[in-house]
Amino acid sequence: DGGITQSPKYLFRKEGQNVTLSCEQNLNHDAMYWYRQDPGQGLRLIYYSQIVNDFQKGDIAEGYSVSREKKESFPLTVTSAQKNPTAFYLCASWDSGRHQPQHFGDGTRLSIL
Amino acid sequence: LAKTTQPISMDSYEGQEVNITCSHNNIATNDYITWYQQFPSQGPRFIIQGYKTKVTNEVASLFIPADRKSSTLSLPRVSLSDTAVYYCLVESSGSARQLTFGSGTQLTVLP
Repeated sequence: DGGITQSPKYLFRKEGQNVTLSCEQNLNHDAMYWYRQDPGQGLRLIYYSQIVNDFQKGDIAEGYSVSREKKESFPLTVTSAQKNPTAFYLCASWDSGRHQPQHFGDGTRLSIL
Repeated sequence: LAKTTQPISMDSYEGQEVNITCSHNNIATNDYITWYQQFPSQGPRFIIQGYKTKVTNEVASLFIPADRKSSTLSLPRVSLSDTAVYYCLVESSGSARQLTFGSGTQLTVLP
């Protein structure tokens, strides 16, 4: 059954620590995205990648980094430079060859200890 | 990216039809209108997408007038499990496919 898997579901970070959120898809989609969602708000784009080894900053990229070494994987690192990292993080993918909606994972909730 | 405006919240009762209207005054010729549903602590799920007139699937209908400056999501006979946030998006057909999510409409279905 194809889909997007995000792990872990819940993650805790200490001050000054980098943490990496995993996103894996088996939909064979070219494009992948990371969004941040704060309580009662919509989603804001952090980074996106249209092909392997290439990615672009979204609206709120500061304090985050990504890599796209494989088509299936698009991990997001929340660095210590991100001063307010507590949020719900959503990964999505999209088949750029067809007009289809984005598919979303079930998110990772990051909290600061 | 076209901006959308939709009501912050709506209440309904089980078994009723719910219509959520979204305005998107600066929609471009090649843009599509897409609605997503999101439950707490889950990712958004696609509901329906359309370009003009009317689209219907097994869960919803989407009505788009000729000027395409608004759209209405219609949910027939809602149940308690339809309580969720509903997002209206205008999606560009460009390759970057960036989505702009507003705050959505919190639909609460009451027994």
